[in-house]
Amino acid sequence: DAGVIQSPRHEVTEMGQEVTLRCKPISGHDYLFWYRQTMMRGLELLIYFNNNVPIDDSGMPEDRFSAKMPNASFSTLKIQPSEPRDSAVYFCASSLLRLSYEQYFGPGTRLTVT
Amino acid sequence: QQQVKQSPQSLIVQKGGISIINCAYENTAFDYFPWYQQFPGKGPALLIAIRPDVSEKKEGRFTISFNKSAKQFSLHIMDSQPGDSATYFCAASSKTSYDKVIFGPGTSLSVIP
Repeated sequence: DAGVIQSPRHEVTEMGQEVTLRCKPISGHDYLFWYRQTMMRGLELLIYFNNNVPIDDSGMPEDRFSAKMPNASFSTLKIQPSEPRDSAVYFCASSLLRLSYEQYFGPGTRLTVT
Repeated sequence: QQQVKQSPQSLIVQKGGISIINCAYENTAFDYFPWYQQFPGKGPALLIAIRPDVSEKKEGRFTISFNKSAKQFSLHIMDSQPGDSATYFCAASSKTSYDKVIFGPGTSLSVIP
């Protein structure tokens, strides 16, 4: 398996623009997680899905953020409109139900909002 | 209650020395304690994990010590090498919290020659 795949790897956009981050989890994994990492706030869980259903979105900062998982092999995290404070590295991770603590992270998307 | 505390924030160790990172938690419902290692530009990766009914787990140069009564656990890296330089996150998870993994703030380890 190729591991968790994220795209794009880098995104530079202007304030107010819509940003869409994409993730393909490891085939057969039951959970999909979206994290945000910054120097100031560390690794923050934004939202996670179990079998494509959102379980906990309490970490989503505000209504500008939304996430979907239309099928078991694809998820998106959308920011609309983007703001400079959204600049961070966004990680997607997936895991099996029976080994939920063993999360496999993607390479991340580095987002810069100017 | 859901927090995992971690110290130190950063650590510098000589090559061949022992690196020690400490973590503490409050929620007694946590039932698994993984450690993740993150190299610059990469996502975190699972390093080693322990259950609360085990006091120690060793994998190569990496050892987790667990003190259930004190609600503390630690990572020891023996014979630290420059290649161990990375950020280390302790974490905790619980089936009663729908398998959410709570990460500590991280420790930046630098092993100098």
